[in-house]
Amino acid sequence: QLVLTQSPSASASLGASVKLTCTLSSGHSGYAIAWHQQQPEKGPRYLMKVNSDGRQFKGDGIPDRFSGSSSGAERYLTISSLQSEDEADYYCQTWGTGIRVFGGGTKLTVL
Amino acid sequence: EVQLVESGGGLVQPGGSLRLSCAASGFTVSSNYMSWVRQAPGKGLEWVSFVSTGGATYYADSVKGRFTISRDNSKNTLYLEMNSLRTEDTAVYYCAREQTTLSYYVDYWGQGILVTVSS
Repeated sequence: QLVLTQSPSASASLGASVKLTCTLSSGHSGYAIAWHQQQPEKGPRYLMKVNSDGRQFKGDGIPDRFSGSSSGAERYLTISSLQSEDEADYYCQTWGTGIRVFGGGTKLTVL
Repeated sequence: EVQLVESGGGLVQPGGSLRLSCAASGFTVSSNYMSWVRQAPGKGLEWVSFVSTGGATYYADSVKGRFTISRDNSKNTLYLEMNSLRTEDTAVYYCAREQTTLSYYVDYWGQGILVTVSS
């Protein structure tokens, strides 16, 4: 079964960096994923796609502070030079034949 | 510029029906896979349904047999017909466009529309 696992919460200080993790279920380590950001009281926004080889494909206007990478079944979103507006929920998403899957989301707090 | 604008939400009693619309601009709905995704109050994102460019439709188990996704190419609009609504269907519903490059992730989202199922 295709499942994405994310830690419920993360925190980091203003100006620092943070790395969020999305883990693919067993047998699905070759899948690409997409990262989405949802700021408080807003709809989601597409950030980037991350392939199993670590290549990333960003959405329009996404700052260079946001980057993606991969290792095995894990897909990462790294945010550097954290700003207050980065405080948000971050979701990973993947796809299979006839199915779409979202991770449970990580709530990022900027201290 | 790609835009997705949902409408048709509101308050409905359990067992009732509602039809959501999503008017698209800046692209053609028939040229992309299109999805509906929902978010219950205080919860995460949940995929509901998608329609392929060829018209094939797929549903999450939680809505299969009750919801129907469709599109009107002449109006460039996506729909979600929701029947036999339950209190657990209460959520903000988002219309979403998927990429066309054999990678089926959402690259544009609508602003969302609230559906409340309550007596």
